[in-house]
Amino acid sequence: EIVLTQSPGTLSLSPGNTATLSCRASQSVSSGYLAWFQQKPGQAPRLLIYSTSSRATGIPDRFSGSGSGTDFTLTVSGLEPEDFAVYYCQQYGTSQLTFGGGTKVEIK
Amino acid sequence: QVQLVQSGTEVKKPGASVKVSCKASGYTFSSYGFNWVRQAPGQGLEWMGWISAYNGNRNYAQNLQGRVTMTTDTSARTAYMELRSLTSDDTAVYYCARGGRLAPVNLDYWGQGTLVTVSS
Repeated sequence: EIVLTQSPGTLSLSPGNTATLSCRASQSVSSGYLAWFQQKPGQAPRLLIYSTSSRATGIPDRFSGSGSGTDFTLTVSGLEPEDFAVYYCQQYGTSQLTFGGGTKVEIK
Repeated sequence: QVQLVQSGTEVKKPGASVKVSCKASGYTFSSYGFNWVRQAPGQGLEWMGWISAYNGNRNYAQNLQGRVTMTTDTSARTAYMELRSLTSDDTAVYYCARGGRLAPVNLDYWGQGTLVTVSS
């Protein structure tokens, strides 16, 4: 099983700042099959990024993903008030999908 | 538009079973699959498994093998997840999420979640 470690656990930023979230895998993620999700309290997760860097339908271009192998990054440029939430990475390169533990982006 | 609507809140006793449903609309049912993901109170996301609505292939999380069964009913456009021998550790919100036809990829649409509470 691939273990995904997200850092930092919490990111305290102001609206307009840029958030940089990290996701490190215990082994290489096949074919870059790495996704990012956003979750707000009381809501289901929402797919933001798939295949490392492809934005899902309707996702604004301030969200971008990058990386390869074992190191992946989600960048949110110019944080909007609605972007403060918990973010999860997920790998689907093996038959056993796994999620990272999450990064909370909170208002400073 | 794509919608996944799940069944309502469940309260179960330890040792019992629960079956959660997920009714799909707005797309060709058999062209995709269903993932099931759960989230214990205040915790992160845990993938439980996937079933193809195209050919019935399944892939379960290793830690749930033997306790979970996923099925689909094409005529009802509904996916089901049954979990047996419940313990308090199974208390969580259970989500269905649309996935790939041949593999558990791209969880692009999610149901609203079903709270399952296991308590004596």
